[in-house]
Amino acid sequence: NAGVTQTPKFQVLKTGQSMTLQCAQDMNHNSMYWYRQDPGMGLRLIYYSASEGTTDKGEVPNGYNVSRLNKREFSLRLESAAPSQTSVYFCASSEDPSTDTQYFGPGTRLTVL
Amino acid sequence: AQSVTQLGSHVSVSEGALVLLRCNYSSSVPPYLFWYVQYPNQGLQLLLKYTTGATLVKGINGFEAEFKKSETSFHLTKPSAHMSDAAEYFCAVKLGRNSGGSNYKLTFGKGTLLTVNP
Repeated sequence: NAGVTQTPKFQVLKTGQSMTLQCAQDMNHNSMYWYRQDPGMGLRLIYYSASEGTTDKGEVPNGYNVSRLNKREFSLRLESAAPSQTSVYFCASSEDPSTDTQYFGPGTRLTVL
Repeated sequence: AQSVTQLGSHVSVSEGALVLLRCNYSSSVPPYLFWYVQYPNQGLQLLLKYTTGATLVKGINGFEAEFKKSETSFHLTKPSAHMSDAAEYFCAVKLGRNSGGSNYKLTFGKGTLLTVNP
């Protein structure tokens, strides 16, 4: 099993450009999450999907949209990138929202110039 | 609501010395508590977790943590540090399953960078 995979690993954008970060999991998990990690800030939840067909805002959703394409895939879209969105983005999954453990992907390092 | 405070953004120890990483939490209901480790340029990996039952929990790589409700703490320890333990460590809290509220949210501390000196 690959676990949680993310593409791309690295990306550089110019201000105002758009892009989609992809995430897929092969553990048959119901719930998926997107976090951003900034130095000294820990991880902050952007959006989550408790189950296929549902999505909800997390702590820092502004400037982002998400799509739960199917049970395996959960994408994060930046419609008009801003330098403040320079960060490392992590996708995670868990069996269901109340289950203890979230499993994380390797991350996407995004720089917005 | 819940929150996590990790005391010390950077801890440095000598190889073979005791590792102690501090974590205090606040939660309105009995929490679930986690420690994750992040090696350079990698994602987060679960070290250990406390949900219910025994308050001393053992994890991977010789780490353990003790849930102390009276102190609202969940400190991470390892008796003897190894060079391979150098990484960033995150404490996280989640509302317990039977908390009666939404318990999807995993709240992370800001992390503690552990360096191990030869």
